[in-house]
Amino acid sequence: QQQVKQSPQSLIVQKGGISIINCAYENTAFDYFPWYQQFPGKGPALLIAIRPDVSEKKEGRFTISFNKSAKQFSLHIMDSQPGDSATYFCAASRGYQKVTFGIGTKLQVIP
Amino acid sequence: DTGVSQDPRHKITKRGQNVTFRCDPISEHNRLYWYRQTLGQGPEFLTYFQNEAQLEKSRLLSDRFSAERPKGSFSTLEIQRTEQGDSAMYLCASSTIAGPGTDTQYFGPGTRLTVL
Repeated sequence: QQQVKQSPQSLIVQKGGISIINCAYENTAFDYFPWYQQFPGKGPALLIAIRPDVSEKKEGRFTISFNKSAKQFSLHIMDSQPGDSATYFCAASRGYQKVTFGIGTKLQVIP
Repeated sequence: DTGVSQDPRHKITKRGQNVTFRCDPISEHNRLYWYRQTLGQGPEFLTYFQNEAQLEKSRLLSDRFSAERPKGSFSTLEIQRTEQGDSAMYLCASSTIAGPGTDTQYFGPGTRLTVL
C-alpha cells in the first residue's frame, strides 16, 4: 500500500521557472512531512520539512504548502536553477518512527 | 565531517555469498535506521534501533537479513546467501529523540550492492 503518493515522476523546467511537486498521504497519524533531495550516487539530504499545524513554510527558494483537510502537500522551487536538477522525495513519518517516502520526482532544469 | 558514514560504498558479490555493511551514525544519535532503495524508487524501511534495541523490522527483511547494533553506536547489516533481487542501494540514517523538532533522519551516502 503506497501511503505517500507523489507526482509527477519527472519534471522539466526552464531556468528561472517554478518547479511544483505534489504529494498526498493517507495515514492521518503522520505528524512530520520532510522533503529530501537526492543526487545520483548520493544519499537523500533533508531539504525542508513541515508539521501539520502549519499551512506553509518557506526557506529561501523552497516553499512547502500543506493542506491538512485534503491530506496533501506540495513543494515549490522558485527561480529554479540547473543545480537544482536532482530527484526529490516527499515523505511522512509519525514521531520518531520510520519514514515513508513517495516514489520520487526527477527534476531537470534546463538553461 | 560528522555526518552518517557507511562502508563500503560499493560491493559486488556473486549470488549465494554473504555480505556485511557497516553504518556509523552521527555521534550521540540514539536512533539508527536501515532502508533499501532500488532504481527509480524511494527508500523503503527495513529496520530501526533505539540504542542497541531493535524496535521494528519490516516484512521486507527476510530471514536472510540480520542487523545488529551491539553497543548502541555503529550498526551492521548482513545479508546471507545473496540473491540477484538483493541488488540495491542500502541506506543508513540516524536521528535523536531529544525532544520536539529533533525527529529528522539524516542519511548516509549508502552502500551500492550488486549481486551477479
